[in-house]
Amino acid sequence: QKEVEQNSGPLSVPEGAIASLNCTYSDRGSQSFFWYRQYSGKSPELIMSIYSNGDKEDGRFTAQLNKASQYVSLLIRDSQPSDSATYLCAVNGGGNNRLAFGKGNQVVVIP
Amino acid sequence: GAVVSQHPSWVICKSGTSVKIECRSLDFQATTMFWYRQFPKQSLMLMATSNEGSKATYEQGVEKDKFLINHASLTLSTLTVTSAHPEDSSFYICSAPRGSYEQYFGPGTRLTVT
Repeated sequence: QKEVEQNSGPLSVPEGAIASLNCTYSDRGSQSFFWYRQYSGKSPELIMSIYSNGDKEDGRFTAQLNKASQYVSLLIRDSQPSDSATYLCAVNGGGNNRLAFGKGNQVVVIP
Repeated sequence: GAVVSQHPSWVICKSGTSVKIECRSLDFQATTMFWYRQFPKQSLMLMATSNEGSKATYEQGVEKDKFLINHASLTLSTLTVTSAHPEDSSFYICSAPRGSYEQYFGPGTRLTVT
């Protein structure tokens, strides 16, 4: 069974700081990796996708993938109060596009 | 802009009635769509995979006779909650993959059963 782990508890960061979120996955054959942001009462929104080892940057977000270590992370630079949300790590093993989700990490940016 | 829509965004119904929720991919075709349920402060729970042209695939523990899924076309999937009860009150969200990998969520439907 594919598992995605996000073990950190709620993360509080001061405005302007870097928020760092980590995720590990169990299926070594996984091909695609995603980070979603979910505001309270809203549906998840895709913010980053990464498919190959290394870093991918998009604005203030950087996703990092290490397939050998089965590890994917998300960095949020210059954190803003609007970044306060739950961040979901999702992994796709291929085939039917079915995603395995982590339980999410709540981020609170303190003004 | 939004690439997946859902209708209605919220619905209140009486216990014992049925409710239909529509999920549409707006500018792409989706042979597969997914239906999730999320209770307050809990994780997304995949309920079923909607397959165009074939039967839906339900996750373990999800009653297929209670949650009817019909993938009517390449852009439309519907979820019907039959004989709804208060415990079915939840946030129902659909998603659809665009292209090979990226999956987009609809805005969700909040169901309240009284």
